[in-house]
Amino acid sequence: DGGITQSPKYLFRKEGQNVTLSCEQNLNHDAMYWYRQDPGQGLRLIYYSQIVNDFQKGDIAEGYSVSREKKESFPLTVTSAQKNPTAFYLCASWISGELFFGEGSRLTVL
Amino acid sequence: EDKVVQSPLSLVVHEGDTVTLNCSYEVTNFRSLLWYKQEKKAPTFLFMLTSSGIEKKSGRLSSILDKKELFSILNITATQTGDSAVYLCAVVGGTSYGKLTFGQGTILTVHP
Repeated sequence: DGGITQSPKYLFRKEGQNVTLSCEQNLNHDAMYWYRQDPGQGLRLIYYSQIVNDFQKGDIAEGYSVSREKKESFPLTVTSAQKNPTAFYLCASWISGELFFGEGSRLTVL
Repeated sequence: EDKVVQSPLSLVVHEGDTVTLNCSYEVTNFRSLLWYKQEKKAPTFLFMLTSSGIEKKSGRLSSILDKKELFSILNITATQTGDSAVYLCAVVGGTSYGKLTFGQGTILTVHP
């Protein structure tokens, strides 16, 4: 089945550690996105990529990094520079006016 | 900076009630407005609106866009407990690849 797969679904990390969240899609979509969701704040855009080997900062990119070496893959690294990384992270891809979401990764920093 | 504001932020009703959720926006180069329903994990798509005054309908849910006044409403009639969710409004602006800006969401709780 076509879709977006995020892993891991749940992740616990100690403060100061980098962590990488995986996002893979088999929908053949060019554009991919990473959003962060905190309670009461909706979804905020971290990074997006319209094509392989190119990506743009969103509204809250500080403390995060991404890569887009393959069309299918858009991993997000939460670095130790991110002050408040505990959140729900959603990956998405876009085509023809619709955004398709993965199931999300919930990161808790202890 | 693009901005989307939803109201109310939360709403508690009883089964059978009708609810109206609001979404107002300010965005550069508006392309479309989308509504999503989010239960536990990933948001699921409800509607995409691009033209003013044309109602989109799916079962008990309907939505309409006013591009002059820059807002949209989502109506749910005869609510059921399964309608309990966060409803998200997002606006597409900028390039055709759709840089979406989301509102805060409306938390709807439907009691039996």
